[in-house]
Amino acid sequence: DAEITQSPRHKITETGRQVTLACHQTWNHNNMFWYRQDLGHGLRLIHYSYGVQDTNKGEVSDGYSVSRSNTEDLPLTLESAASSQTSVYFCASSGQGSHNEQFFGPGTRLTVL
Amino acid sequence: AQKITQTQPGMFVQEKEAVTLDCTYDTSDPSYGLFWYKQPSSGEMIFLIYQGSYDQQNATEGRYSLNFQKARKSANLVISASQLGDSAMYFCAMREGNFMNDKIIFGKGTRLHILP
Repeated sequence: DAEITQSPRHKITETGRQVTLACHQTWNHNNMFWYRQDLGHGLRLIHYSYGVQDTNKGEVSDGYSVSRSNTEDLPLTLESAASSQTSVYFCASSGQGSHNEQFFGPGTRLTVL
Repeated sequence: AQKITQTQPGMFVQEKEAVTLDCTYDTSDPSYGLFWYKQPSSGEMIFLIYQGSYDQQNATEGRYSLNFQKARKSANLVISASQLGDSAMYFCAMREGNFMNDKIIFGKGTRLHILP
């Protein structure tokens, strides 16, 4: 069965370190997204991609970067982790079409100390 | 201004009763789509139902229906005959514009508690 996976599921890091969160999907979807979820804010879009070599900034992109070298993967990098980036991170993907819901990964809980 | 507003941070409902979760949205684009997602305590995001702005009828999926009132910019989720397993966080979301633009904006969510 097609799926979307994230790794690691839990990560503790220190302020200032670079961190990369992996996202891998086997749906063969062109569209991939990264969100962060914080209490009281719902899900906020960080970055998204509509295909290989395409990346776009979302609502809360400062301090984050992504790259898309193939269809399956969209890793999210925190260049210099800050305590404000402690959150749960979700990756999602979608196909194209009028009724194309986003399929979500299981999430990564990141703690920055 | 918020694009998606969910005014009920939390709700308590007796098991087997019907539940209505409110969602209002703001867009000037005539073409858009509305989604509802469920997030149980385990954390995964589960797609429930979709309504397109040009759809003539309200969407239904099993016990879920979407009460779409276009003029009021309202897209409430109705859960019939609630069950204990319906206890979860529920998010309303919107995609604006044409269907090549798959960005979705989420509301802040409503936490639903079903009481036995």
